[in-house]
Amino acid sequence: SAVISQKPSRDICQRGTSLTIQCQVDSQVTMMFWYRQQPGQSLTLIATANQGSEATYESGFVIDKFPISRPNLTFSTLTVSNMSPEDSSIYLCSVERSPNTEAFFGQGTRLTVV
Amino acid sequence: QKEVEQNSGPLSVPEGAIASLNCTYSDRGSQSFFWYRQYSGKSPELIMSIYSNGDKEDGRFTAQLNKASQYVSLLIRDSQPSDSATYLCAVANSGGYQKVTFGTGTKLQVIP
Repeated sequence: SAVISQKPSRDICQRGTSLTIQCQVDSQVTMMFWYRQQPGQSLTLIATANQGSEATYESGFVIDKFPISRPNLTFSTLTVSNMSPEDSSIYLCSVERSPNTEAFFGQGTRLTVV
Repeated sequence: QKEVEQNSGPLSVPEGAIASLNCTYSDRGSQSFFWYRQYSGKSPELIMSIYSNGDKEDGRFTAQLNKASQYVSLLIRDSQPSDSATYLCAVANSGGYQKVTFGTGTKLQVIP
């Protein structure tokens, strides 16, 4: 398995502001993934972050809204920009130690936008 | 559109019974299959992974895969109230780091 530390664990933010979520892994991993889980829904992939290159975003997600950094092989951040109440969700980072293996998740960040 | 379908439940079983959770997927190229357990307010926790047809057992849990029918299931024997959670089926293609598609989850309630 992998030890993944994600913070903050929860936050309540004003609309129009931005929040940066941090994800730290206990060892080097090539790929990190950011998911969103809206209330009562399953997980939706936002983007894939590979160290040294720009993140790859899924349909419906754009870099201006969800900028991602991946400065090294153990760390990534996701920013939720110009937030609205519709951004209220749980945001999760995930890693795979090697191709075609299990994904492990951080503890999640529960975001409420008011 | 790659889809993973699960019955949302809730599936209610008495304590000590076998809980059977089912999942179908649409992409025939899928190679890796996972079951996650998610307690309310928590992040998903990996329960089982299965990559080839047949059964895979781990303690009280058995995953079953049938690629021809595009069907994967999870059996939980001797169900306990602590097993009450939402179970997510996840499916991924092969060929490098994969994008995992999650089902919507089945809520399991184990009644004491």
